[in-house]
Amino acid sequence: DTGVSQNPRHKITKRGQNVTFRCDPISEHNRLYWYRQTLGQGPEFLTYFQNEAQLEKSRLLSDRFSAERPKGSFSTLEIQRTEQGDSAMYLCASSPRGQVLNTEAFFGQGTRLTVV
Amino acid sequence: GNSVTQMEGPVTLSEEAFLTINCTYTATGYPSLFWYVQYPGEGLQLLLKATKADDKGSNKGFEATYRKETTSFHLEKGSVQVSDSAVYFCALLSSGGSYIPTFGRGTSLIVHP
Repeated sequence: DTGVSQNPRHKITKRGQNVTFRCDPISEHNRLYWYRQTLGQGPEFLTYFQNEAQLEKSRLLSDRFSAERPKGSFSTLEIQRTEQGDSAMYLCASSPRGQVLNTEAFFGQGTRLTVV
Repeated sequence: GNSVTQMEGPVTLSEEAFLTINCTYTATGYPSLFWYVQYPGEGLQLLLKATKADDKGSNKGFEATYRKETTSFHLEKGSVQVSDSAVYFCALLSSGGSYIPTFGRGTSLIVHP
């Protein structure tokens, strides 16, 4: 399977713990996005990488959230000191080089986080 | 900034009925427009797209026309099937939004036999 891969698929954690999610984009896709989705809502933008550079970060994103994309390949999203409000589906998407406005994003199946 | 507004769901239809899901947008620059579909238990996947005004995107019997004058990209299908039951997301991409896809809240479609 050469699609976008996210791990783990599900994560249950206690409030106050740190969690880390991993995303493996489609090979050679240089753009990578993280989104958060809650029930009944569309994907909400968190952050964006072009290759290894983090170019955009949502103003709504708490400083408890951090993301990396070393070497421009896989990416990790870490949430420190989790809160119940962090419970959501975390989505990763990637898109290829080329004409940006003509290329769609390819999504993984997401990581569902539950904070108890 | 960029935004996408979709009609509230769920939309409930009988098989073979006509479907319209409304989508309007606000964008800086000249956006490309997309419809994504999310089937139960799966990730979002592209359904169709249109990159300039008056273009029509189509796939699997679904169609949407990029209407710049009304800033709309409504999704239509002439005859829905039970297998079309899913959540549909309208999205846009523009230079004014730093080329980051912006999504609507999604519209759930339920098709009964």
